[in-house]
Amino acid sequence: SQWGEENLQALSIQEGEDVTMNCSYKTYTTVVHWYRQDSGRGPALIILIRSNEREKRSGRLRATLDTSSQSSSLSITAAQCEDTAVYFCATAANSGTYQRFGTGTKLQVVP
Amino acid sequence: GPKVLQIPSHQIIDMGQMVTLNCDPVSNHLYFYWYKQILGQQMEFLVNFYNGKVMEKSKLFKDQFSVERPDGSYFTLKIQPTALEDSAVYFCASSSGLGGNYAEQFFGPGTRLTVL
Repeated sequence: SQWGEENLQALSIQEGEDVTMNCSYKTYTTVVHWYRQDSGRGPALIILIRSNEREKRSGRLRATLDTSSQSSSLSITAAQCEDTAVYFCATAANSGTYQRFGTGTKLQVVP
Repeated sequence: GPKVLQIPSHQIIDMGQMVTLNCDPVSNHLYFYWYKQILGQQMEFLVNFYNGKVMEKSKLFKDQFSVERPDGSYFTLKIQPTALEDSAVYFCASSSGLGGNYAEQFFGPGTRLTVL
């Protein structure tokens, strides 16, 4: 899982497998954003989940949010090579004016 | 989709020199941000900017840093003078609303700054 002072984590899976990445956050939030970052590019929002949603789906992506444990997960079903990227979770700062990012999970999907 | 551009993609300078990083945000966006990412570490907020003013800045936004967006042109981050610890990738972002909870932030590809 990601957050805090941990270094970037890495996962390598086979194409077709399912994968789940976890994120724990420190302060109260009403929404968790999940981003992917491809090499040489900036982060791009792929799914966000609000505190009144326990689960959110978008295509092969599924996000969950457990506000009691301050944790969120991102699952990818039947991963494909093009899912290879770094995935970050982010929450709003207390002021609500910017986002705080996790350390990220580097996912590699191999054929 | 909407794109944020950053110029240059890579800048190498000597410690003590001044550097300006340029960001061309999404055209109708009103809120602008700079984040800093050291290799292998999480991306960290530096500053946000709205209506010609800094709204909030982090402890990473040292006195040597400044931001501006003169006459709706580039949103810039200036570092004067630079220090070795300023070496990082700097990401610019923009959003139509406050980019904390619900307004989507769009990120540029980053400028890799190397201070020698």
